[in-house]
Amino acid sequence: NAGVTQTPKFRILKIGQSMTLQCAQDMNHNYMYWYRQDPGMGLKLIYYSVGAGITDKGEVPNGYNVSRSTTEDFPLRLELAAPSQTSVYFCASRIRQGYEQYFGPGTRLTVT
Amino acid sequence: QKEVEQNSGPLSVPEGAIASLNCTYSDRGSQSFFWYRQYSGKSPELIMSIYSNGDKEDGRFTAQLNKASQYVSLLIRDSQPSDSATYLCAVFNQAGTALIFGKGTTLSVSS
Repeated sequence: NAGVTQTPKFRILKIGQSMTLQCAQDMNHNYMYWYRQDPGMGLKLIYYSVGAGITDKGEVPNGYNVSRSTTEDFPLRLELAAPSQTSVYFCASRIRQGYEQYFGPGTRLTVT
Repeated sequence: QKEVEQNSGPLSVPEGAIASLNCTYSDRGSQSFFWYRQYSGKSPELIMSIYSNGDKEDGRFTAQLNKASQYVSLLIRDSQPSDSATYLCAVFNQAGTALIFGKGTTLSVSS
């Protein structure tokens, strides 16, 4: 199993551009998550999904959108990128009955 | 909104010493607590979970939970330079569907 994969690993965006961060898992996990981590800070929950077709907001959803059309994929969309969205983005997943969240390797995004 | 508080550190200990990492949480209803380790530039990985008051040991790691004081800690015995990392405390959100993380404590073990 590849586990949780994220693409791209790095990206530089100009202010106002948009992009999609890709996340996929091959473990048949129901739950998937997007977190962002700013330097010296913990992980802030952006959005999460408890299954295909179901998404919910986390602590810091503004400026982001998500969709969950399949169990495997959970893309994160940034519209009108702003410097405040410069961060490392982690995707994670877990099974419904479990508690361990498995994290992807992260995407480092810079908005200038 | 649940809150998880940690001292950001850095916490510096010599090799072989005991490192003590602390975490407090705001919601008395929280039932499940987790410690994740994150090496610089890497993603977090789960190292301990604890659900009941008292101690839980796993190798050199011991998690301690005191629900009355809303306090959870992680002890690392015989600290090694390879333990140098940021340690994140986490609890489930109100719905039990996602983890809420503290800011993390950076541990540095010197040889």
